Amino acid sequence: NAGVTQTPKFRVLKTGQSMTLLCAQDMNHEYMYWYRQDPGMGLRLIHYSVGEGTTAKGEVPDGYNVSRLKKQNFLLGLESAAPSQTSVYFCASSYYGQENEKLFFGSGTQLSVL
Amino acid sequence: DQQVKQNSPSLSVQEGRISILNCDYTNSMFDYFLWYKKYPAEGPTFLISISSIKDKNEDGRFTVFLNKSAKHLSLHIVPSQPGDSAVYFCAAKGGGSNYKLTFGKGTLLTVNP
Repeated sequence: NAGVTQTPKFRVLKTGQSMTLLCAQDMNHEYMYWYRQDPGMGLRLIHYSVGEGTTAKGEVPDGYNVSRLKKQNFLLGLESAAPSQTSVYFCASSYYGQENEKLFFGSGTQLSVL
Repeated sequence: DQQVKQNSPSLSVQEGRISILNCDYTNSMFDYFLWYKKYPAEGPTFLISISSIKDKNEDGRFTVFLNKSAKHLSLHIVPSQPGDSAVYFCAAKGGGSNYKLTFGKGTLLTVNP
């Protein structure tokens, strides 16, 4: 019963490097989300997807790209990492995004950009 | 502008006492509210929720109260236990984007034995 799995759990990048964070869910959820958490800022939505093949921008999308080629996977890419992208990244999913639904979160990826 | 506000960054209570965590919101279109609990190095986990058509929802030791006129909700934990020590996030959804959650900054609760 894995739920939402994020890889990697930790990563250190140098400024300008690129990387991809992988999120996988085994609950057959339609909706998936990427959030970042910064000290004193709560969780902020980066990008989200309402189904396979779809993506949309959230509150803080700049510097990130996403892809949802398969229903169970949601990838978050950083093309040219910046120190401002040092954060903890959380992936989440939900069935259909209905009003009374909750989101299920992964355990997070700690990213440091030097 | 911050639409969901948790004005207390931290709260410390004694084991067995009541913990009250507060949350205010500004968007009158929000109609569903959730509380998430987060331990260090883990993802947030769902705790309890309330719809705007209710003013109270209870689940064991946890009760959430909603005051729509004041745009205020609170989470009560009775009795508090050391294992409740965590960061608690208030979140809201609604207003045409029902599937997206807007989070507060969180409150760190410490329950002392």
